[in-house]
Amino acid sequence: GQQVMQIPQYQHVQEGEDFTTYCNSSTTLSNIQWYKQRPGGHPVFLIQLVKSGEVKKQKRLTFQFGEAKKNSSLHITATQTTDVGTYFCAGDSNFGNEKLTFGTGTRLTIIP
Amino acid sequence: DTEVTQTPKHLVMGMTNKKSLKCEQHMGHRAMYWYKQKAKKPPELMFVYSYEKLSINESVPSRFSPECPNSSLLNLHLHALQPEDSALYLCASSHENDRRPGNTIYFGEGSWLTVV
Repeated sequence: GQQVMQIPQYQHVQEGEDFTTYCNSSTTLSNIQWYKQRPGGHPVFLIQLVKSGEVKKQKRLTFQFGEAKKNSSLHITATQTTDVGTYFCAGDSNFGNEKLTFGTGTRLTIIP
Repeated sequence: DTEVTQTPKHLVMGMTNKKSLKCEQHMGHRAMYWYKQKAKKPPELMFVYSYEKLSINESVPSRFSPECPNSSLLNLHLHALQPEDSALYLCASSHENDRRPGNTIYFGEGSWLTVV
């Protein structure tokens, strides 16, 4: 079955430093979605990428979808304490949402 | 704040108990989901309902029984659970699967289940 791996599993950064998490799928994806889950909270949708090579920005967050549509990355510039949480990518091989497979997640902690 | 409401937020039950988790959304979404999430792990899909019909069952044990009474409600009936079933149970919804991009999944806050 489809597998989606993320690296690193954990990341501790000093406040103000940059952070990147990488997502790799065993199969070609129709789209990739990113979610953030705060400690004790539930996953919250951040963004969806659909096109090969697509890049999207949300303030300090930059999302990329690989040319082969098998990998993606999330980069945060100048991290803040509010960025703390676990970041999950999620993808599916068809265009529907019905069977999204979540990545293993990257837990980000910020050192003030 | 999430537009998917789950109750109860916390549940402790014995292995011989019967309980239910409830989920409600009023966004007009026609796909609803149950996910299970263990600590420090990603959400794992359990069930998908599409237009009130069960469309995906990810080989979930029969001690978990989903029910979709109408397009806004989704229940998960629990019976004879095991301690290893303790987890966060997340309900979610999305627009109908019409194979267009942009259908995002909206998660509820989850129900924390402890089986003793």
